[in-house]
Amino acid sequence: QQQVKQSPQSLIVQKGGISIINCAYENTAFDYFPWYQQFPGKGPALLIAIRPDVSEKKEGRFTISFNKSAKQFSLHIMDSQPGDSATYFCAAIQGAQKLVFGQGTRLTINP
Amino acid sequence: EPEVTQTPSHQVTQMGQEVILRCVPISNHLYFYWYRQILGQKVEFLVSFYNNEISEKSEIFDDQFSVERPDGSNFTLKIRSTKLEDSAMYFCASSEDNHNQPQHFGDGTRLSIL
Repeated sequence: QQQVKQSPQSLIVQKGGISIINCAYENTAFDYFPWYQQFPGKGPALLIAIRPDVSEKKEGRFTISFNKSAKQFSLHIMDSQPGDSATYFCAAIQGAQKLVFGQGTRLTINP
Repeated sequence: EPEVTQTPSHQVTQMGQEVILRCVPISNHLYFYWYRQILGQKVEFLVSFYNNEISEKSEIFDDQFSVERPDGSNFTLKIRSTKLEDSAMYFCASSEDNHNQPQHFGDGTRLSIL
C-alpha cells in the first residue's frame, strides 16, 4: 500500500514534443505529490509538486495532472528540450514522513 | 539558493569497517532525512530525524545504522560494520517543517564497499 508505481521505465521524445510520465498510488493518506528530476551524479531536485485538492498545476513547461478518484498523477513536459534529458521520479508523502518514490523514468530528448 | 551539502562525494571502505557520512542541511530546516539509491534503482527511505530524535525508520535501517546531529549544523549517518550490499548512493535531505514542505536533497555520497 505504500508503493508508488511509475511508468514508463524509459522514454524517448523528439525535441519539441510532449513527454508524459505516469504514476499511481494506493495509500489515500498521501497528501503531497512531488516530482523530482535527477541528472547523473546529482541528487534528486524538486521540480514541481501538487496537493490532492488540486487537479492540475503548471509551472512553465511542466504540468502535473492529478486524478484523485483514480489515484493517479502524471507529469507533462511541453516543448521538450535536450536539457530535459534526465531521470524523473514521482513521489508521495504523508505529513512529514518518508517520501515514497516511484521506480523512475529515464527520459531522453532527441535533438 | 541554500543547498544541502554532503561529504565526502565518494567513500571507499573495506567490508566490516565503520563509515560516517556527513551532511549539512539547509540552515533553517528542522527535519532531516537519509535515503539511499542502489545503482539503477529507486530512491529508498532510511530514516527521518526531528528534535534530536529518530521519528521514523525503515526496515533497512537496522542496528548497524545510526544517525546523529552532533552540533547545530551537521547531520551524520554511521554504518558500524559495512557489508557489500551497503554499496549505494546515500542522500541527505532536509525540510522546513512537517506540513507538506518539500524535501531538498544533497548530491549524495557514493559508498563503495570492497
